[in-house]
Amino acid sequence: DGGITQSPKYLFRKEGQNVTLSCEQNLNHDAMYWYRQDPGQGLRLIYYSQIVNDFQKGDIAEGYSVSREKKESFPLTVTSAQKNPTAFYLCASLGLADEGRKFFGPGTRLTVL
Amino acid sequence: AQKVTQAQTEISVVEKEDVTLDCVYETRDTTYYLFWYKQPPSGELVFLIRRNSFDEQNEISGRYSWNFQKSTSSFNFTITASQVVDSAVYFCALDNQGGKLIFGQGTELSVKP
Repeated sequence: DGGITQSPKYLFRKEGQNVTLSCEQNLNHDAMYWYRQDPGQGLRLIYYSQIVNDFQKGDIAEGYSVSREKKESFPLTVTSAQKNPTAFYLCASLGLADEGRKFFGPGTRLTVL
Repeated sequence: AQKVTQAQTEISVVEKEDVTLDCVYETRDTTYYLFWYKQPPSGELVFLIRRNSFDEQNEISGRYSWNFQKSTSSFNFTITASQVVDSAVYFCALDNQGGKLIFGQGTELSVKP
């Protein structure tokens, strides 16, 4: 089945540690996105990539980094510089033929202790 | 500036009642897409509908219907004869075709038996 996978579902880290969230898609989509969701709030864009080896900052990129070495993969690293990393992280992808409709992964809930 | 406002933070209804979720958006673009997504407790975003800015026809899908009015910049969502399984957080979102989906804050719908 085609789709987006994110692993793990739940992730715990100690304060000060970097952590990398995985996002993989087999939809052959060129564009991929990372969103952050805090309780009672909508999703906010962290980073996005419209093509391999290229990515742009979203609205809340500080304290995060990404890479796009392969079309299928768009990992997000939450660095120790991110002051409030505990949140729900959603990855999405978009194909040229999808007219703006993004496909979302199941999300990773990160808790920093 | 682009913005999506969902003024209703929480709505609680009894099963079989009709309920309308409001969405008001702001954009200077003439071409854009509007979306509704459902987020059940599992966290994954479920796509409900996409509406092109040039298509103001209302749409009905089973118990769901959407009212798009460009004159008031609104894209409201109505659930007829609500069911307990409709309980979720619902997000309205705007995309100006730049790929940066802008979400409202979400409306948490609780349908009680």
